[in-house]
Amino acid sequence: EDQVTQSPEALRLQEGESSSLNCSYTVSGLRGLFWYRQDPGKGPEFLFTLYSAGEEKEKERLKATLTKKESFLHITAPKPEDSATYLCAVQESYKLSFGAGTTVTVRA
Amino acid sequence: ETGVTQTPRHLVMGMTNKKSLKCEQHLGHNAMYWYKQSAKKPLELMFVYNFKEQTENNSVPSRFSPECPNSSHLFLHLHTLQPEDSALYLCASSQLLKGGTDTQYFGPGTRLTVL
Repeated sequence: EDQVTQSPEALRLQEGESSSLNCSYTVSGLRGLFWYRQDPGKGPEFLFTLYSAGEEKEKERLKATLTKKESFLHITAPKPEDSATYLCAVQESYKLSFGAGTTVTVRA
Repeated sequence: ETGVTQTPRHLVMGMTNKKSLKCEQHLGHNAMYWYKQSAKKPLELMFVYNFKEQTENNSVPSRFSPECPNSSHLFLHLHTLQPEDSALYLCASSQLLKGGTDTQYFGPGTRLTVL
């Protein structure tokens, strides 16, 4: 059973067209939810950690929110350089469980 | 050097070869990890080392052999691999605190192709 499910699998946006990515999880004792950005052929780059429902964090055009069952990554007025795969991961004990990612393509 | 480094960045090997992947972390962390990333699939945790001791072996085939000589270095020794082992191999490190949240920082990965 998948613990972390990300949707959509792929997202194509026009520059400036805001949108949201979803990460739903089924772990019972969440210790943290993580968002990473991954460019092709590179390792994941850490973006945010969220610890409890209601928490929000922002970085430039990205904003991450957390509820008891899911997290959203909002991309506001995206630019072509925001094109990447965004990965969500949850920590239950000391291990992280990753979703398959959402690949975002932003066209100029 | 800063962060987590991995060498080589690309590796092509035959099924009968023996090779090693190297990872070094410059963050002062106490835990290191090996992950396998295949196309369109979630990252798969392979091995975890905490204070140089292996605390996780996620049912990985014996043709993959990890080594952690100290808390800054991690190796993955490869022998008699199969074509389905072709993937991006990622190393990560973290400061593992009891009961705490574990932010892992990743290296750039080694793209492995098995012919």
